[in-house]
Amino acid sequence: KNQVEQSPQSLIILEGKNCTLQCNYTVSPFSNLRWYKQDTGRGPVSLTIMTFSENTKSNGRYTATLDADTKQSSLHITASQLSDSASYICVVSGGGADGLTFGKGTHLIIQP
Amino acid sequence: SAVISQKPSRDICQRGTSLTIQCQVDSQVTMMFWYRQQPGQSLTLIATANQGSEATYESGFVIDKFPISRPNLTFSTLTVSNMSPEDSSIYLCSAVRGNTYEQYFGPGTRLTVT
Repeated sequence: KNQVEQSPQSLIILEGKNCTLQCNYTVSPFSNLRWYKQDTGRGPVSLTIMTFSENTKSNGRYTATLDADTKQSSLHITASQLSDSASYICVVSGGGADGLTFGKGTHLIIQP
Repeated sequence: SAVISQKPSRDICQRGTSLTIQCQVDSQVTMMFWYRQQPGQSLTLIATANQGSEATYESGFVIDKFPISRPNLTFSTLTVSNMSPEDSSIYLCSAVRGNTYEQYFGPGTRLTVT
């Protein structure tokens, strides 16, 4: 069964600090891995998309890594800001938009 | 990018009634989807909305309960029929344009059934 596991479930850090969120998956076949940010009361917004051949991708202060051999990904947030408070969802695609497996997300809270 | 709007943004409905949620995309898209997100849970795909034909439903979801329409390339509706408190959830519309991996989501409709 395809699964995406994220850790930690929730995280609280101080503004300005860095943090790393983890994603392990057992999806096969594999096409790409995506990280989304979901603010409270809003729909998910794409941060990064990585295919099999990519092992790192950045979007501003967000850097995602992918190890397709170990089926692990991480999302690193640098110099966190209050606006980074959100849920971060890891999504793995086996090919086709109807073949997505969603993680439950990591709920991140940035404290001033 | 694609901008997706949904109406209503939230609603409180009585058991046994039905609610139709509208999804409008600001430009033509290839595929449209409807998801459900229950509190503290990940997104679950309900169905793929096919233009001009019946939607393709995922296991556990049926047309009688969640009828879907997609009359053109930018608009779709999802109806939650004969609602029960278990249907309380956030319903999200999503779209993909062309052959890209990029998938866009609407802001969601928060439904509470009493």
